[in-house]
Amino acid sequence: AQSVTQLGSHVSVSEGALVLLRCNYSSSVPPYLFWYVQYPNQGLQLLLKYTSAATLVKGINGFEAEFKKSETSFHLTKPSAHMSDAAEYFCAVSPLMDSSYKLIFGSGTRLLVRP
Amino acid sequence: DVKVTQSSRYLVKRTGEKVFLECVQDMDHENMFWYRQDPGLGLRLIYFSYDVKMKEKGDIPEGYSVSREKKERFSLILESASTNQTSMYLCASSTDSSTDTQYFGPGTRLTVL
Repeated sequence: AQSVTQLGSHVSVSEGALVLLRCNYSSSVPPYLFWYVQYPNQGLQLLLKYTSAATLVKGINGFEAEFKKSETSFHLTKPSAHMSDAAEYFCAVSPLMDSSYKLIFGSGTRLLVRP
Repeated sequence: DVKVTQSSRYLVKRTGEKVFLECVQDMDHENMFWYRQDPGLGLRLIYFSYDVKMKEKGDIPEGYSVSREKKERFSLILESASTNQTSMYLCASSTDSSTDTQYFGPGTRLTVL
């Protein structure tokens, strides 16, 4: 069965520092991959997605992620953190062999941004 | 603009009550989903529907049922609420393309006393 692992339930960075949130997936076939963000008391919002085109994917709010098949990873980065980036981030995979279009989510990483 | 709405943001119910959570989408999407979100566990799929009157169990369907009588509306039903169903419930919808985004509602925080 496919799964998604997010390393680190909490990540803390200073404002202006690099943000790196890690995501690894398990799949014999490269799946479609997504990053979602959840701000306090809100639903999830799509940041970016990989659907087998370019391996470096740019998203909203200055975030980007790189698909690395050899490492089965899809880490999320942002060069300079802003206070408004404080939120919970979820990596998700859409299994290509499953026609139901379900998403499998990781357990989430809460990003804290220090002034 | 894409919109998924949920009937309540906060709900408090008593053990044994029947609970209805409603979700409506205005995007003419084929697929609709119900998740529950718990700290440290991420989102877990309860049920999903790929067409009117069609449904499939997700990973944690026990204690829940669903109804989809109209394309835009997907209801989650707790037949007899229990304290371990206290959680955040999120509804989502998408087209039937595997590359499509799932669009989420704001969530309903349910507390069962």
